[in-house]
Amino acid sequence: AQTVTQSQPEMSVQEAETVTLSCTYDTSESNYYLFWYKQPPSRQMILVIRQEAYKQQNATENRFSVNFQKAAKSFSLKISDSQLGDTAMYFCAFCSNNNDMRFGAGTRLTVKP
Amino acid sequence: DAGVTQSPTHLIKTRGQQVTLRCSPKSGHDTVSWYQQALGQGPQFIFQYYEEEERQRGNFPDRFSGHQFPNYSSELNVNALLLGDSALYLCASSFWTSYTDTQYFGPGTRLTVL
Repeated sequence: AQTVTQSQPEMSVQEAETVTLSCTYDTSESNYYLFWYKQPPSRQMILVIRQEAYKQQNATENRFSVNFQKAAKSFSLKISDSQLGDTAMYFCAFCSNNNDMRFGAGTRLTVKP
Repeated sequence: DAGVTQSPTHLIKTRGQQVTLRCSPKSGHDTVSWYQQALGQGPQFIFQYYEEEERQRGNFPDRFSGHQFPNYSSELNVNALLLGDSALYLCASSFWTSYTDTQYFGPGTRLTVL
């Protein structure tokens, strides 16, 4: 069974600095997709970034980028130039072959002014 | 372009009652997935609907059932409510493909069981 582990329950960063959130997963699948979602206090789950496992190039989306290490089954999220609006819960998620999406327990990120 | 919508926003029920939650998918999407998110935890997959049929199901009892309508909207029904059913219920929509499409989430329905 696929599992997703986020080992950092809480993290904080100063505004304008860079922070990295960790995620590891376990699967026997060869073709799958990884996601980072952000859930602010408003509860809306918002897609931050997506990575296809068959792509070697790390995905980037403006200030957000990932470090995808397939052999190590690691998928970390780097947030550059952190902004107050980045304060939220961040969930790492795994999905294969349009199956159910598996989420980690989340990391609560606080951006301090 | 409307995103995923859910109703109601909040709901309070008592043990043993039944509840129905509703979801309208993002325009162009034909697949709806439901998740339960307990306080302080990540979402847990309940089931997924495509072409008005349940395609996949997570580890949830038969008290949890659903339906998808021809316009792709969906309902989640929970019978014989337990205190442990108190949670945020999230609906996500996507496009059914042979690979994995990104799921887009609605704002959720907060269910409180007293």
